[in-house]
Amino acid sequence: DIQMTQSPSSLSASVGDRVSITCRASQSMSNHLNWYQQRPGEVPKLLIYGASTLQSGVPPRFSGSGSGTDFTLTIDSLQPEDFVTYYCQQTYSMPWTFGQGTRVEMK
Amino acid sequence: QVQLVQSGGEVKKPGASVKVSCRASGYIFTTYDINWVRQAPGQGLEWMGWISPYSHNTGYAQKVQDRVTMTTDTATSTVSMELRSLTYDDTAVYYCVRVTGDYPAPQYFQHWGQGTLVTVSS
Repeated sequence: DIQMTQSPSSLSASVGDRVSITCRASQSMSNHLNWYQQRPGEVPKLLIYGASTLQSGVPPRFSGSGSGTDFTLTIDSLQPEDFVTYYCQQTYSMPWTFGQGTRVEMK
Repeated sequence: QVQLVQSGGEVKKPGASVKVSCRASGYIFTTYDINWVRQAPGQGLEWMGWISPYSHNTGYAQKVQDRVTMTTDTATSTVSMELRSLTYDDTAVYYCVRVTGDYPAPQYFQHWGQGTLVTVSS
């Protein structure tokens, strides 16, 4: 199984900051990496798929990069609604696995 | 538009079984696989398995493979997930999710059901 190690598990930031979340895979997985955002009590929402393709309707302040084993989600200029939890997911090989999640908190 | 509508919340006793359904609409049902993901209270997302409404093929996570069965009914465009021998650790919100994309292109979870809370309590 591919293990996904997401870091940090939480971070504190301010509105307007630029933050990055990292996901590291236990083996190479090309670009089969997705990022989701989840607000409390809500269904997860797809942000980025294929490591770097922005899902339609997602603000361009979100971006993804990486290939192989190391991937990054970057949020430029944090907005108040961005202080929620983010998950990475690999769909390269079964079982598809998620990272542990990163909670972005307001400083 | 694509919609996945799940059955309502359930309260079950330890050792019982639960069956959660997911009715799809807005697309050709047999074209896309359905996956199930669960989330325990305050915890992360856990992938449980998949089913192809076209072939009825399934694949399950090792953690639940002995206790879970996923089925599909093309007549009603419904996928169901049954989990047996419930324990307190199975208390979670269960989501059905439609896969988008075809291997070797990346696949991803674009469409999610609203979630079904299953509570295991004595």
